[in-house]
Amino acid sequence: GAGVSQTPSNKVTEKGKYVELRCDPISGHTALYWYRQSLGQGPEFLIYFQGTGAADDSGLPNDRFFAVRPEGSVSTLKIQRTERGDSAVYLCASSLTIGNEQFFGPGTRLTVL
Amino acid sequence: RKEVEQDPGPFNVPEGATVAFNCTYSNSASQSFFWYRQDCRKEPKLLMSVYSSGNEDGRFTAQLNRASQYISLLIRDSKLSDSATYLCVVDTGGFKTIFGAGTRLFVKA
Repeated sequence: GAGVSQTPSNKVTEKGKYVELRCDPISGHTALYWYRQSLGQGPEFLIYFQGTGAADDSGLPNDRFFAVRPEGSVSTLKIQRTERGDSAVYLCASSLTIGNEQFFGPGTRLTVL
Repeated sequence: RKEVEQDPGPFNVPEGATVAFNCTYSNSASQSFFWYRQDCRKEPKLLMSVYSSGNEDGRFTAQLNRASQYISLLIRDSKLSDSATYLCVVDTGGFKTIFGAGTRLFVKA
């Protein structure tokens, strides 16, 4: 079956712009996670959803970052007023339910110029 | 202190060698532990879960030491294809998962 997909695969934007990153989880997976990974580092937790609700958003760096999952499937990570320090690979993962193996998408490479 | 710490390596070993990685975690309430593998410019993939009693999957053995708050991964008979970054993953006592920075392994012919 289809794995986790993320679009776009690459996004180049200018400082101050708004971006949206999309994640399509594996069908039937109730838990969805967003991570950010910089070169030479492990994935950094941002937020996770159980169903439609954000169960833990403590990893979001500041209020420029926001994520939604309105129907409990597709999720969108939104970044306002992008800064150069936001440049990273944004990874999405889903799992059948909380605590199970996480399956990762290929990531979106965001570059803020 | 970081929540999850790993030796970044790199570990350079010949084919057939045995190599071990350790990972320490700071939250004594953590309940779930995993090792993930990440190839260059690819997404992480689960290698194995780590259970209290320890577990083995072919050439890979994972151990958990709750008293000292560390987990380990042992790879026997290393293959060229084992070259990757190995990520230690720990929950925070809830279901928020924290990744270590990863340990890089290079297996040489």
